[in-house]
Amino acid sequence: GALVYQYPRRTICKSGTSMRMECQAVGFQATSVAWYRQSPQKTFELIALSTVNSAIKYEQNFTQEKFPISHPNLSFSSMTVLNAYLEDRGLYLCGARDRGGWDQDTQYFGPGTRLLVL
Amino acid sequence: AQKVTQTQTSISVVEKTTVTMDCVYETRDSSYFLFWYKQTASGEIVFLIRQDSYKKENATVGHYSLNFQKPKSSIGLIITATQIEDSAVYFCAMREGSNNRIFFGDGTQLVVKP
Repeated sequence: GALVYQYPRRTICKSGTSMRMECQAVGFQATSVAWYRQSPQKTFELIALSTVNSAIKYEQNFTQEKFPISHPNLSFSSMTVLNAYLEDRGLYLCGARDRGGWDQDTQYFGPGTRLLVL
Repeated sequence: AQKVTQTQTSISVVEKTTVTMDCVYETRDSSYFLFWYKQTASGEIVFLIRQDSYKKENATVGHYSLNFQKPKSSIGLIITATQIEDSAVYFCAMREGSNNRIFFGDGTQLVVKP
């Protein structure tokens, strides 16, 4: 089956420091990976959409300078939160899209990385 | 503009009954894909079921089924014989055929009581 792993599951960092989170797709080829931040109210904010062999598209209010993303192959992506502050707290979710076939064109989510900033 | 709306914030049902969660969407694309996900208390998001816009038959997977009403831009999720462990937040989502981005609703909290 299609599985998505994220690590770390939870991390605490000091204000102004940076932390890197990783996303790994197992059992399928993740041609595109979307990074989201989920608010305490459960709202999804799309940070950026990364497609292999294409430029990474960042949403308004999110920049490459703040959230650099790497998507080097069809099974792995990472995102770093640079200079984290209180407003960066939340659950960061990786959604990897399985394009194995027309009927398999579904996005699967990892369990998330919960970021706490002190 | 693309948008997904879930008007029900929270639903409470007794186990073994059937529950329907509503979702309406907005898109200008003629081809699109609709999804339902479940987020458990631990935060994990589980893909449940999908409906492709070109398919007329309502999708069914296990005790999940969809009520796809294309003219109304509606994609309701039906859970039959609910169980305690179905308690979670359910998200409706849409992806247009013309791009990779997925739009999510704000979620419906389902509480299944014994």
